Amino acid sequence: EIVLTQSPATLSLSPGERATLSCRASQSISNYLAWYQQKPGQAPRLLIYDASNRATDIPARFSGSGSGTDFTLTISSLEPGDFAVYYCQHRSDWPPVYTFGQGTKLEIK
Amino acid sequence: QVQLQESGPGLVKPSQTLSLTCTVSGGSISSGDYYWSWIRQPPGKGLEWMGYMYYSGTTYYNPSLKSRVIISGDTSKNQVSLKLTSVTAADTAVYYCARVSCPPGGTGYFYYMDVWGQGTTVTVSS
Repeated sequence: EIVLTQSPATLSLSPGERATLSCRASQSISNYLAWYQQKPGQAPRLLIYDASNRATDIPARFSGSGSGTDFTLTISSLEPGDFAVYYCQHRSDWPPVYTFGQGTKLEIK
Repeated sequence: QVQLQESGPGLVKPSQTLSLTCTVSGGSISSGDYYWSWIRQPPGKGLEWMGYMYYSGTTYYNPSLKSRVIISGDTSKNQVSLKLTSVTAADTAVYYCARVSCPPGGTGYFYYMDVWGQGTTVTVSS
């Protein structure tokens, strides 16, 4: 079973700052990694798939990188609406089990 | 665009069966281009994948829930259903349905959820 470990658990930053969120897989997962944003009371929203491809209508300040076991979500300049919880996610090839990281809470400093 | 809407009882008694429906609009569950999945989120906690179905009838479930969960589709109503048996307080959560896509280029590797319903809260309590 692949385990995704996100760090840090909480990240405190100010608007305008750069955010760097990490997701580490327990074994190589190539680039099959997605990132989601979840605001309080809302469903998650897909941000990134294939580790670095932005989903439809996602602003360019969101970028993803990495492959293998280490992945990063970067928000270049934080806007007030970016403060939320972020999850990484993967699906193992077989059996097809979908796994989420435990989340990183991005909060206003 | 595609929209998903979950519905079902908000309160279920312990040991009973939780039944939810996800109604898909703006797209067809029988198109073959997507999987359809259920994910849940206990209060204050992270996301847990429960299982998926494909239009062909293929399903796969989270091993931690495998013996209690059934996901099925009704193509005439364009709905995806979830049944979870023998519920306990630990099954109290927001339940989401989601569309599962694969990257462009036809890899066939359906792995990321690109459309989500708004979620429905289910409380297990007597």
